[in-house]
Amino acid sequence: GAVVSQHPSRVICKSGTSVKIECRSLDFQATTMFWYRQFPKKSLMLMATSNEGSKATYEQGVEKDKFLINHASLTLSTLTVTSAHPEDSSFYICSARVGGRGEKLFFGSGTQLSVL
Amino acid sequence: SQQGEEDPQALSIQEGENATMNCSYKTSINNLQWYRQNSGRGLVHLILIRSNEREKHSGRLRVTLDTSKKSSSLLITASRAADTASYFCATAPLGGKLIFGQGTELSVKP
Repeated sequence: GAVVSQHPSRVICKSGTSVKIECRSLDFQATTMFWYRQFPKKSLMLMATSNEGSKATYEQGVEKDKFLINHASLTLSTLTVTSAHPEDSSFYICSARVGGRGEKLFFGSGTQLSVL
Repeated sequence: SQQGEEDPQALSIQEGENATMNCSYKTSINNLQWYRQNSGRGLVHLILIRSNEREKHSGRLRVTLDTSKKSSSLLITASRAADTASYFCATAPLGGKLIFGQGTELSVKP
């Protein structure tokens, strides 16, 4: 199956700093990637859809200036949490779709962000 | 509102027993998918069942779909300790994005 690599797996940062998370499709080209946020023992909350070569589409309630998404190539999407605060602490997961809308997703291994 | 709702929220069984998880959804769908998540990890796709299918098998997994009741079930037969994980259903509404349910936390005791 398709492989999605996500780095870093864990990051601890000070409040006010920015953190960049990378999501790469290793053996396929992903025109569309998705970024999710997950709280402990909760479901995945879709934050935004990342489209190669164009602006990301953010879900309602997600601050686009806070969570910057860049999808500069067919194999790389990045999520930057700007001016992180403790309430941004969460598990962030990216995924990529192979096939059309609504088809199965391949997930990265996730990034646990802890903001002190 | 949540598209997919799963029950039970948590399930604890002994190794060798079968585990059944249910998922209900609200709108018409193209397909329904089940994913597994080990603690602190990403999700792994298990199986996809399309709206015109009623049952699908993959190894020890059996998925059913009842579009009239807007529900699906995932059965894991002869469970193993390694099956311990959270299981999520995800639905693809017509023309829409994949939406995940709340998940069932399965614990299989050796």
